[in-house]
Amino acid sequence: GQQLNQSPQSMFIQEGEDVSMNCTSSSIFNTWLWYKQDPGEGPVLLIALYKAGELTSNGRLTAQFGITRKDSFLNISASIPSDVGIYFCAGRRDYGQNFVFGPGTRLSVLP
Amino acid sequence: NAGVTQTPKFRILKIGQSMTLQCTQDMNHNYMYWYRQDPGMGLKLIYYSVGAGITDKGEVPNGYNVSRSTTEDFPLRLELAAPSQTSVYFCASSYIVTPLARSSTDTQYFGPGTRLTVL
Repeated sequence: GQQLNQSPQSMFIQEGEDVSMNCTSSSIFNTWLWYKQDPGEGPVLLIALYKAGELTSNGRLTAQFGITRKDSFLNISASIPSDVGIYFCAGRRDYGQNFVFGPGTRLSVLP
Repeated sequence: NAGVTQTPKFRILKIGQSMTLQCTQDMNHNYMYWYRQDPGMGLKLIYYSVGAGITDKGEVPNGYNVSRSTTEDFPLRLELAAPSQTSVYFCASSYIVTPLARSSTDTQYFGPGTRLTVL
């Protein structure tokens, strides 16, 4: 089946630092989603992207739909302790198809 | 709204036992999904439903069954539990008006998960 790769797998950063992570696919996608999962909880949607090149922000979070349509990026500015969690990307090749999820990037924020 | 609720939160089964994981949503969403999440892996789709009375297989359906008799409920059944089914199970729902076109509301809302261990 389709697979998404996320990089990095995990990262440790200092509070206040900016964070960048990405998601890549071997297939072209028409929709990218970014979710965050807190420990013991279900994923919560952060940002949805529907168009190549699209740049969308949600507070300190900014995500981009890659021009090649095979990747997406998530940036977090000025990280805070509550940013800790696992960040998942999800993509779908076309409308009417189900989403495929990446393995996640685990973020730890050190005070 | 409670959103998507799942019961139980935790369960330990013996090999060969059966159980039903419950999922309910109160958002009047037409689509519902069951995923499993294994350590270090992304979510894998088990089954999904596009509306009451309609279900379809996802990527990893073997060993599971579902039914959708109402819009609100989408239970997942394990008939003969196996250690390979040890995982965290998430139910999700979404509202899709036009499946073959872009919709800003077709994103999925997840429940808190059920952690299942099969020994």
